Amino acid sequence: NAGVTQTPKFRILKIGQSMTLQCTQDMNHNYMYWYRQDPGMGLKLIYYSVGAGITDKGEVPNGYNVSRSTTEDFPLRLELAAPSQTSVYFCASSLLQETNTEAFFGQGTRLTVV
Amino acid sequence: AQKITQTQPGMFVQEKEAVTLDCTYDTSDQSYGLFWYKQPSSGEMIFLIYQGSYDEQNATEGRYSLNFQKARKSANLVISASQLGDSAMYFCAMREALGTSYGKLTFGQGTILTVHP
Repeated sequence: NAGVTQTPKFRILKIGQSMTLQCTQDMNHNYMYWYRQDPGMGLKLIYYSVGAGITDKGEVPNGYNVSRSTTEDFPLRLELAAPSQTSVYFCASSLLQETNTEAFFGQGTRLTVV
Repeated sequence: AQKITQTQPGMFVQEKEAVTLDCTYDTSDQSYGLFWYKQPSSGEMIFLIYQGSYDEQNATEGRYSLNFQKARKSANLVISASQLGDSAMYFCAMREALGTSYGKLTFGQGTILTVHP
């Protein structure tokens, strides 16, 4: 059982480049989340999705876009990368029937923008 | 407005002693869930314990317990008999069940726990 899989694990981007961080889960979870974690800091919600075709902004959506065409996949798109987007990105998913289902996290993607 | 507040940037505890990590939250929902996660230096996020807003008893999972005080909107994590392997960053999180924040999972700033031998 793979759980939540993120690719790539590491990436270096030049300023102005774009890329897509991939996230897929095989648990048939309806909820999916993207967070960023700056060094020594907490997790800030970028975007989240309550199901295929439905996404909503979190705390820090600027500079990012998402789509949710299937239950399994929730890619995060960075357009025009900036040094401020240097961070570790986590994808998570959960099965929301009530509030008591924990989120399962991927291993993270460490992104550096130079 | 900050939904989850962890006021202790760092905590130290002696091995085998108990430690409490503080967490306060802000919500107008009646139905919500509170979670604690551990993040060791390797970076992965490990789920520890859950408390529902309607649960009458404090949650416990092995050496972890959650001191839930609903009127004070606090959900402190208690780790008993600390071990060296407990040294990590700990995050409190909340998921709301209703309103415009439906399903959103919000994290606090984290507390770095260091266990001394």
